[in-house]
Amino acid sequence: AQSVTQPDIHITVSEGASLELRCNYSYGATPYLFWYVQSPGQGLQLLLKYFSGDTLVQGIKGFEAEFKRSQSSFNLRKPSVHWSDAAEYFCAVGARQGAQKLVFGQGTRLTINP
Amino acid sequence: GAVVSQHPSRVICKSGTSVKIECRSLDFQATTMFWYRQFPKQSLMLMATSNEGSKATYEQGVEKDKFLINHASLTLSTLTVTSAHPEDSSFYICSARDRASSSYNEQFFGPGTRLTVL
Repeated sequence: AQSVTQPDIHITVSEGASLELRCNYSYGATPYLFWYVQSPGQGLQLLLKYFSGDTLVQGIKGFEAEFKRSQSSFNLRKPSVHWSDAAEYFCAVGARQGAQKLVFGQGTRLTINP
Repeated sequence: GAVVSQHPSRVICKSGTSVKIECRSLDFQATTMFWYRQFPKQSLMLMATSNEGSKATYEQGVEKDKFLINHASLTLSTLTVTSAHPEDSSFYICSARDRASSSYNEQFFGPGTRLTVL
């Protein structure tokens, strides 16, 4: 069965600092991988996705993520965070077959210090 | 494009009543919609997969008689929480897949519905 682990429940960084949010997945083959962001009381917005090809994917708002098959990881990065990046971030894995359901990680709450 | 709406955004009801939540794809047709539940400070848990014109497929542990799902058209799915109780209070989020997409069908998420049962 698919599973996703986000080891960091809460991360605090200073505005302008770099950011890396970790995501590890368990899946029998190469999955589809996603990062979503959720502001309080809101739905989910897709930041980026990996389907195939180049393992470094660029997303919106200056985010990028790198798929590392050997480590079963899909970490999210941003070189310089802005106060507006404070939110909850979810990594998700989707099966390539069947109903293509998504399984979400537990989420990482990002706090930005001024 | 690819906008999903939910109505209502927030609802408060008394224990024992039923509540209906609508999920609409505004600018695309969705053969498949998904319903998620999210408790405070927790992740999204898939409740069921809804296919247009057929019965929903529920995840293990989700009571199908309590959470009734209807997907009567290509743009509308509804979730009815029957005989709601305080433990049903949660944030309910739907998502939809665009049937016109030829590749992997990415899910587009609605803004969520906050249900509070008194």
